[in-house]
Amino acid sequence: GENVEQHPSTLSVQEGDSAVIKCTYSDSASNYFPWYKQELGKGPQLIIDIRSNVGEKKDQRIAVTLNKTAKHFSLHITETQPEDSAVYFCAADQAGTALIFGKGTTLSVSS
Amino acid sequence: DTAVSQTPKYLVTQMGNDKSIKCEQNLGHDTMYWYKQDSKKFLKIMFSYNNKELIINETVPNRFSPKSPDKAHLNLHINSLELGDSAVYFCAAGVPSTDTQYFGPGTRLTVL
Repeated sequence: GENVEQHPSTLSVQEGDSAVIKCTYSDSASNYFPWYKQELGKGPQLIIDIRSNVGEKKDQRIAVTLNKTAKHFSLHITETQPEDSAVYFCAADQAGTALIFGKGTTLSVSS
Repeated sequence: DTAVSQTPKYLVTQMGNDKSIKCEQNLGHDTMYWYKQDSKKFLKIMFSYNNKELIINETVPNRFSPKSPDKAHLNLHINSLELGDSAVYFCAAGVPSTDTQYFGPGTRLTVL
């Protein structure tokens, strides 16, 4: 089955800096790679996703890149703000039927 | 409108009790899921239902039984609760191959 590794587990940045979170996956058949943001006491919220026919996708300050050959994908947040502080999860689909999650990255943005 | 809702938000109970968590989605998706998030924040899939039929059943004790009365609802029944069942349980809807998967707000279960 699919296995997803996520790094780093914690990330501290200054407001205005960029943050990058990286994930690798094991199953070359995976085609869907979403990123979720989880704030304290809430459920995971989708922030951006990418499918395997696309190498990069951007939505304002957030971008995701995908390298299918190397089986890794990354989340890039530019101009970070204190409200970006949360736990971020990457995921990959398993046979299109379920999501397998990385272990999460706790991002802290200090002002 | 809330896309995926769960009740209750908090559930505190004694070991050995039986409890249920309810989930409803108004997205019209055929597939719903239950995930467990442990104290280290690790999210792991437990079950998947497609149009009232069980699709995925990961290695979960048979004390856990999902029940889907219709495609908008997927409830989780837990019998003989144990301390190790304490966690946050999330319901989700939407199959990754075609849909965005949306999560509910979670139910924090504490077993004393």
